[in-house]
Amino acid sequence: DVKVTQSSRYLVKRTGEKVFLECVQDMDHENMFWYRQDPGLGLRLIYFSYDVKMKEKGDIPEGYSVSREKKERFSLILESASTNQTSMYLCASTSQRGSLHFGNGTRLTVT
Amino acid sequence: AQTVTQSQPEMSVQEAETVTLSCTYDTSESDYYLFWYKQPPSRQMILVIRQEAYKQQNATENRFSVNFQKAAKSFSLKISDSQLGDAAMYFCAYRSPLRFNKFYFGSGTKLNVKP
Repeated sequence: DVKVTQSSRYLVKRTGEKVFLECVQDMDHENMFWYRQDPGLGLRLIYFSYDVKMKEKGDIPEGYSVSREKKERFSLILESASTNQTSMYLCASTSQRGSLHFGNGTRLTVT
Repeated sequence: AQTVTQSQPEMSVQEAETVTLSCTYDTSESDYYLFWYKQPPSRQMILVIRQEAYKQQNATENRFSVNFQKAAKSFSLKISDSQLGDAAMYFCAYRSPLRFNKFYFGSGTKLNVKP
């Protein structure tokens, strides 16, 4: 089975802090994604990557950046955390024609 | 961008009954994939069922089946013999092979199952 692992289940950070969310997948998937999930809004795509060192903006990239130095790892970075970035963050990966495989989410609270 | 619409924010079904969750999408592409994902309170998103747009036959997975109407851009999920464990958020998703394999999600339908 594909395993997508997110480094933290819960995080509490202060406004202005730099925050790193880490995601690792073990199935050699080319594509990796970071989503943000908020009630009533579904999942919104922040950034995605289709290859090492390649990245593309999703629908809501403002305030975020990403890094993919190795195929299995995709990091989401909040350069200066703000309270409106309090949310659930989901990482996912997929092969070229497969379904998405998700991590179990990181609930981030910015105070 | 492609849009996916789930018009039912919340639904309820009696245990052992059948329920249908609605999903519509907007696209100009002819080749794409559609999915239903389940998110129980544990937060882990689980694939329920997938449908390739080029396939005429509706996908089925045990008690879960879809009604795929390509011309109408409709993709509903039917859950038969509902069980308490089916209670969850259900998300409809569209995958575009032409747009970097991006997935687009609906806003979700919360399904309650009454004993």
